Amino acid sequence: DVKVTQSSRYLVKRTGEKVFLECVQDMDHENMFWYRQDPGLGLRLIYFSYDVKMKEKGDIPEGYSVSREKKERFSLILESASTNQTSMYLCASTGLYQPQHFGDGTRLSIL
Amino acid sequence: KNQVEQSPQSLIILEGKNCTLQCNYTVSPFSNLRWYKQDTGRGPVSLTIMTFSENTKSNGRYTATLDADTKQSSLHITASQLSDSASYICVVSANSGYALNFGKGTSLLVTP
Repeated sequence: DVKVTQSSRYLVKRTGEKVFLECVQDMDHENMFWYRQDPGLGLRLIYFSYDVKMKEKGDIPEGYSVSREKKERFSLILESASTNQTSMYLCASTGLYQPQHFGDGTRLSIL
Repeated sequence: KNQVEQSPQSLIILEGKNCTLQCNYTVSPFSNLRWYKQDTGRGPVSLTIMTFSENTKSNGRYTATLDADTKQSSLHITASQLSDSASYICVVSANSGYALNFGKGTSLLVTP
């Protein structure tokens, strides 16, 4: 069974801090994704990666960056956290012809 | 612009009753449509996938239908259970690229 693990379920940070969200998948998937989920807005794609060291901007990349140094790990970085980045962050991975498998999310609060 | 619209936004039903959730989309060119279930505090989990040639697909008490001509899909839940309380998200893939088009979800509450 595919497992996508996000390092933290809940995280509280302060405005201006640099924040790292980590995601690890155990199925050797090429593609990994970061979304944020907000009430009334649904899931929105921040960044995705289709291979190690490769990344593509999604719909809302501003204020975020990503890192994929190893195939199984995809990190989301908030360079200088702001209150409007308070949200639920979901990581997903997928292989060819498979559904996206999601982690259980990190609920991030920026104070 | 690719869009996925779901209705209703929220729904409350009694345990044991049936319900139907709707999804309309404008994604083109169409590749496939998935329904996901998201329990509170968890990530979404895929329930069904429909491709262009498929009209109906079942997964236990969940039955998804697809009308590719009218670009509509529905998710029918039979004999609802308390554990069906969740958000149901319709996700449509286009033929190009990796990106998915997400609906905003229908929040279902099943009460005793």
